[in-house]
Amino acid sequence: AQTVTQSQPEMSVQEAETVTLSCTYDTSESDYYLFWYKQPPSRQMILVIRQEAYKQQNATENRFSVNFQKAAKSFSLKISDSQLGDAAMYFCAYSMSGTASKLTFGTGTRLQVTL
Amino acid sequence: KAGVTQTPRYLIKTRGQQVTLSCSPISGHRSVSWYQQTPGQGLQFLFEYFSETQRNKGNFPGRFSGRQFSNSRSEMNVSTLELGDSALYLCASSRAVPSTDTQYFGPGTRLTVL
Repeated sequence: AQTVTQSQPEMSVQEAETVTLSCTYDTSESDYYLFWYKQPPSRQMILVIRQEAYKQQNATENRFSVNFQKAAKSFSLKISDSQLGDAAMYFCAYSMSGTASKLTFGTGTRLQVTL
Repeated sequence: KAGVTQTPRYLIKTRGQQVTLSCSPISGHRSVSWYQQTPGQGLQFLFEYFSETQRNKGNFPGRFSGRQFSNSRSEMNVSTLELGDSALYLCASSRAVPSTDTQYFGPGTRLTVL
């Protein structure tokens, strides 16, 4: 069974600084998807970034980028120029290739952004 | 394009009752998945429906069931409610197109069982 581990229950970053959230996963599959979702206090789950395992290039979406290390089964999220609106729970998620309709989530990292 | 909608947003039920939650996917999305979120167990996959057929199922008892209609709208039913069923139930939809697939989530239904 696939598992996703987020070892940082809480992180804090100052506004305009950079923070990295960690995620490791375990799978025997060679092709799969990885995601970072953000869940603000409103509880609406929002997709932040997506990575296909067969792509060596790390995904980037504006201030958000990932460091995907397939051999190490590591998938960290870097948030640059942190903003107050980035404060939320961040979930790392995995799905097998073919369909992303069955996500396995980590336990989440609560990110605080301070002035 | 409208996002995933879920109704109702909040529900209060008592033990032993049953409940039905509804999810309308993004237009053009054919896959609907359901997740349960609790403080203790985190986010857990319940089941997925695609073209009116259950395609994947998580590790939940048979009291949890669902269905999907021809317009891709989905309902989830929980019978004989237990206190532990109190949770945020999230619905997500996707186009279910391999290699580009991504799930988009609704705002959730908060179920409280008394």
